[in-house]
Amino acid sequence: EAGVAQSPRYKIIEKRQSVAFWCNPISGHATLYWYQQILGQGPKLLIQFQNNGVVDDSQLPKDRFSAERLKGVDSTLKIQPAKLEDSAVYLCASSLAGTRYGYTFGSGTRLTVV
Amino acid sequence: DAKTTQPTSMDCAEGRAANLPCNHSTISGNEYVYWYRQIHSQGPQYIIHGLKNNETNEMASLIITEDRKSSTLILPHATLRDTAVYYCIVRGNNNAGNMLTFGGGTRLMVKP
Repeated sequence: EAGVAQSPRYKIIEKRQSVAFWCNPISGHATLYWYQQILGQGPKLLIQFQNNGVVDDSQLPKDRFSAERLKGVDSTLKIQPAKLEDSAVYLCASSLAGTRYGYTFGSGTRLTVV
Repeated sequence: DAKTTQPTSMDCAEGRAANLPCNHSTISGNEYVYWYRQIHSQGPQYIIHGLKNNETNEMASLIITEDRKSSTLILPHATLRDTAVYYCIVRGNNNAGNMLTFGGGTRLMVKP
């Protein structure tokens, strides 16, 4: 089966600019996650979707981050305006619904804010 | 989610078994133990998961103690390509929807 697709692979922007990341999950996976991974740390969950509804966005900095999953398939994560500390890899993952199933991660988007 | 404790780093000789320990002393009865690994510049990769019984697949074996307070991931014949950060995660079943919460993981270095 095709994996989780993410684009772009790399992005460099100046602080205060905006940026958007795209994710296409595995077909049929109802649950989609966005994680932020700062260099040297484990991934940190930002937001979880079940179909097109938000399940948990408690860790999402809502003053500058936003995410949507229209039609319950593809998802976009946006940062506006970006700060230097947003430099990280942004990972998208998808899974079937339920605790028994593992996640499949994409390769991520490496964001550098200068 | 229950917190897990893993060694920060480990070395293993190529061709030998790699045994990666994980403590999860506050695990609840319906929580699964998951193992993921992350090779440099890639997203985390699922390895194995279990609830109570030991599990084995083509990648690894998972040994869970009877009291479920700790587990060990075993890579039976480590290769250089197994060099990665290995994450042990206890997956909650909370109202927020069962997300995976990653800790710092164990950096495994397989040496020739």
